[in-house]
Amino acid sequence: EPEVTQTPSHQVTQMGQEVILRCVPISNHLYFYWYRQILGQKVEFLVSFYNNEISEKSEIFDDQFSVERPDGSNFTLKIRSTKLEDSAMYFCASSRTGGLFNEQFFGPGTRLTVL
Amino acid sequence: KQEVTQIPAALSVPEGENLVLNCSFTDSAIYNLQWFRQDPGKGLTSLLLIQSSQREQTSGRLNASLDKSSGRSTLYIAASQPGDSATYLCAVDGGATNKLIFGTGTLLAVQP
Repeated sequence: EPEVTQTPSHQVTQMGQEVILRCVPISNHLYFYWYRQILGQKVEFLVSFYNNEISEKSEIFDDQFSVERPDGSNFTLKIRSTKLEDSAMYFCASSRTGGLFNEQFFGPGTRLTVL
Repeated sequence: KQEVTQIPAALSVPEGENLVLNCSFTDSAIYNLQWFRQDPGKGLTSLLLIQSSQREQTSGRLNASLDKSSGRSTLYIAASQPGDSATYLCAVDGGATNKLIFGTGTLLAVQP
């Protein structure tokens, strides 16, 4: 069964460093998302991406964040200068359609630890 | 602003029991409600998607219902098993947007 994959599973970085989290969505999906979950808190939406552009972003997704689909398979989240509060589990998700049939499938997550 | 609440926060039941998890949301202008399962330190596994025009969906021992007008959904698990132990999350989309808004989850423990 097709699934969303993410690498790395765990990333440790120093405050102020840049990190890139990678995702391979399900191959025939057209909508891509990043969410994050700080330990013990709700899963929060960061950004959605469709047709090679951002369709929506949350207040969390400030200028330090960017997303890219560099080729036909990968979807990346970049954090330019990490802060301690960026420590969280980051989930990539994809869906085949939007609107009424928007069932989102999630990857296993990347645990980001900022020291 | 959409708010999603799940009750109870935690539940412990003996194996074989039927159980109900509750989810409520404040804005009924949704397209879909999705139930997920999350194992400790793992990703989210989609269990069921209910579209706004549907009243319920079934998958194996799981049955999810949706009452959009009252802003409520329930997840019914029949004949619970220890392998069902996990956190169960419900999420609604934003109606006009595709982003999912999650509840805090119900931590389920099924005792053998």
